[in-house]
Amino acid sequence: QVQLVQSGSEWRKPGASVKVSCKTTGYTFSSNSMSWVRQAPGQGLEWMGWIDTEIGITTYGRGFAGRVVLSLDTSVDTAYLQISSLKAEDTAMYYCARAPERHYNNKWFLDYWGQGTLVTVSS
Amino acid sequence: SYDLTQPPSVSVSPGQTASLTCSGDELGSKFVSWYQQKPGQSPVLVLYEDDKRPSGIPERFSGSNSGNTATLTISGTQAMDEADYYCQAWDSATGVFGGGTKLTVL
Repeated sequence: QVQLVQSGSEWRKPGASVKVSCKTTGYTFSSNSMSWVRQAPGQGLEWMGWIDTEIGITTYGRGFAGRVVLSLDTSVDTAYLQISSLKAEDTAMYYCARAPERHYNNKWFLDYWGQGTLVTVSS
Repeated sequence: SYDLTQPPSVSVSPGQTASLTCSGDELGSKFVSWYQQKPGQSPVLVLYEDDKRPSGIPERFSGSNSGNTATLTISGTQAMDEADYYCQAWDSATGVFGGGTKLTVL
């Protein structure tokens, strides 16, 4: 069965960087692009971006280009989210979520989600 | 940038019908998906392409999308349906979520 398993909670000081992993099993990794979604404490979902899991092309959401980098390691079927120059406002749960196919179309949805990784930014 | 607007909260009595709306400019020309999120859990897809249910989602969940408004309808609402619900659409290959609606069943 399809599973997206994310790395564990992280704590960082402001200005540091963090890299969150999303290990996939149960399907062909390169067949489905991957999105990342942020949820601040008590807040709603924010779409951060997506990455084409075959060629690595990325698209970032409003406000996320610059400090956020999405990447892949196709040898281990894993997607990564890296955030640099962390701020307190980056404290949130971060989810990876799979698209139904690799090629973007306006019918896309997010059919499988990881369990989330809590990133806490505090001095 | 494209925005989706949802009412912050909706209340419904058990067994009644809940209608959750999602509004956006010419939203009817886009495809909308809906996600259910219970406290401490990851979101779960409940509808995609406006009105399609993934396997395992009960038939009481249905959807429509026309004009500027998409609607998630839960017929015969049960206590287990109490959750936050988010609509989502795509605009120029960029994903957009609505702010979410907290559905209370009381």
